[in-house]
Amino acid sequence: ETGVTQSPTHLIKTRGQQVTLRCSSQSGHNTVSWYQQALGQGPQFIFQYYREEENGRGNFPPRFSGLQFPNYSSELNVNALELDDSALYLCASEGGDGYTFGSGTRLTVV
Amino acid sequence: GEDVEQSLFLSVREGDSSVINCTYTDSSSTYLYWYKQEPGAGLQLLTYIFSNMDMKQDQRLTVLLNKKDKHLSLRIADTQTGDSAIYFCAVLEGGGNKLTFGTGTQLKVEL
Repeated sequence: ETGVTQSPTHLIKTRGQQVTLRCSSQSGHNTVSWYQQALGQGPQFIFQYYREEENGRGNFPPRFSGLQFPNYSSELNVNALELDDSALYLCASEGGDGYTFGSGTRLTVV
Repeated sequence: GEDVEQSLFLSVREGDSSVINCTYTDSSSTYLYWYKQEPGAGLQLLTYIFSNMDMKQDQRLTVLLNKKDKHLSLRIADTQTGDSAIYFCAVLEGGGNKLTFGTGTQLKVEL
């Protein structure tokens, strides 16, 4: 059983809307990362948070933003959704024994 | 930046061994991971190896690392139909906050 839970599991949004995806990590895991996995591809790094501060960012525009909270939960926010944002969004936490991923949120933008 | 490559497909017979290969470019990579993804699911961490190791064995899984050639492999012994999935190699860059994934190898296990 994974220690990382994500919600919702599926989501449909309209182009131009905003979306918030949520992740709950294991207690004590201070590092959380978000990845985007387009269909048929490997996951791409969006950004990482460590102790509530951004700790690295991939090649994603500023309309992708995040937050990490003291209770080991985090959020990924995407503004002005585009059709190409349709993907599986994965959250991963790291607690000294490798990066553990959640089951992801499947976002469809129409 | 880091580039990670894998072959796209592998087909084996049930009971045989499977070997999935991966090459990477960043010699300062620290940890190297293998993940399994079943249809419609997230990523399951199978195993990982630190860059100062050559081999790691975990039950049916054996990871080999050739750091000189920047080559990583995952051997699955006695492959079962339940092993059918996409397998991703992922490399943690030196400096340590970003995993770079390959495009995944689809493993098909035939009876």
